[in-house]
Amino acid sequence: QKEVEQNSGPLSVPEGAIASLNCTYSDRVSQSFFWYRQYSGKSPELIMSIYSNGDKEDGRFTAQLNKASQYVSLLIRDSQPSDSATYLCAFGGTDSNYQLIWGAGTKLIIKP
Amino acid sequence: GAGVSQSPSNKVTEKGKDVELRCDPISGHTALYWYRQSLGQGLEFLIYFQGNSAPDKSGLPSDRFSAERTGGSVSTLTIQRTQQEDSAVYLCASSLAGGRQSSYEQYFGPGTRLTVT
Repeated sequence: QKEVEQNSGPLSVPEGAIASLNCTYSDRVSQSFFWYRQYSGKSPELIMSIYSNGDKEDGRFTAQLNKASQYVSLLIRDSQPSDSATYLCAFGGTDSNYQLIWGAGTKLIIKP
Repeated sequence: GAGVSQSPSNKVTEKGKDVELRCDPISGHTALYWYRQSLGQGLEFLIYFQGNSAPDKSGLPSDRFSAERTGGSVSTLTIQRTQQEDSAVYLCASSLAGGRQSSYEQYFGPGTRLTVT
């Protein structure tokens, strides 16, 4: 059974600090990893995709992937109150059915 | 460009009635997914379409739930004899499902909020 583990939070971070969100996954052969942001009452929005070991940066967001440890993380630098949301990680890409396995999400609160 | 659209955005129905929820995926996306999300909960997978066929229906909660997709595009999720526990947000997503890594990226519609009274 493929699984994703995420700390449900809430994770409280002061404004301007770095928020660090983590996710572990069970499937060693997964090739695609994603972070989605979901604001309250809204649908999930894709914010980062990562496919190779290492870091991928996009503005204030950095995704980190370690396939050996089956671990993916999301760092948010200079956190803003508008970053307050639930962050979902997902993985897939092991076969041709294109489904993703989803974590339950971590609620992030940025305190002004 | 146009994203995933869903209709209606809100639906209030009486217990026992049937409802139809519609999803229009991003043009060119061959895979389509239905999820359900109850208040404060994570995503619950319902069904996945590749083209018009559904390789995985394992998430449908009961035989009251069915879905179809026609022309490789629009999909309809039907719930018969609705129950109060069916109240949730129903989300549709689509993905390219081609040969590229980005094929796995799912893009969500705004959802349909279903309330069964």
